[in-house]
Amino acid sequence: DAKTTQPPSMDCAEGRAANLPCNHSTISGNEYVYWYRQIHSQGPQYIIHGLKNNETNEMASLIITEDRKSSTLILPHATLRDTAVYYCIVRVAYGNKLVFGAGTILRVKS
Amino acid sequence: DVKVTQSSRYLVKRTGEKVFLECVQDMDHENMFWYRQDPGLGLRLIYFSYDVKMKEKGDIPEGYSVSREKKERFSLILESASTNQTSMYLCASSLWEGVSGYTFGSGTRLTVV
Repeated sequence: DAKTTQPPSMDCAEGRAANLPCNHSTISGNEYVYWYRQIHSQGPQYIIHGLKNNETNEMASLIITEDRKSSTLILPHATLRDTAVYYCIVRVAYGNKLVFGAGTILRVKS
Repeated sequence: DVKVTQSSRYLVKRTGEKVFLECVQDMDHENMFWYRQDPGLGLRLIYFSYDVKMKEKGDIPEGYSVSREKKERFSLILESASTNQTSMYLCASSLWEGVSGYTFGSGTRLTVV
């Protein structure tokens, strides 16, 4: 599975959009981009995934560049409860293993 | 509400004890996983299973074994607990097709003294 690069930490003001970037320049054509988050002392939580097209669900939006070498997770109106570690993961659909990197610590501040 | 349930939230065991960590899911998922999480090392895969009685080693299987006798239950076994196995243990499950996301349990914080 391709490697991802994320900034170690980011701050965001409460109520503003949080934009979390992820680079995956070696992604191959059959690999999906997944996002998970982990709130302190809890298990990781699935947020969203995509292959080529932008995706949106009730939690977030995922914007994937046309060349698929990078993506951005957008939390449209961040709240204090969105403070967590956010993981960007690239993997093939049929792979069994989910490999976590260090992620980005997002701090939402009032 | 579908979920993955881990039997204990906190556990304290003595060195040399045999330890069982239990995980149950109610989503009829084929795949189940055990990870451990340590500061500075992130989440690392110990073992996974894609069917009853099937198991595959993850990245750090040494010192652990697993059991999957029923589809909904996946047990992690520490044959002889050691202090370096003090960690947060996380269980997860997913559908076989793999595109959909994983569902994680809340974790078991194990301390070996």
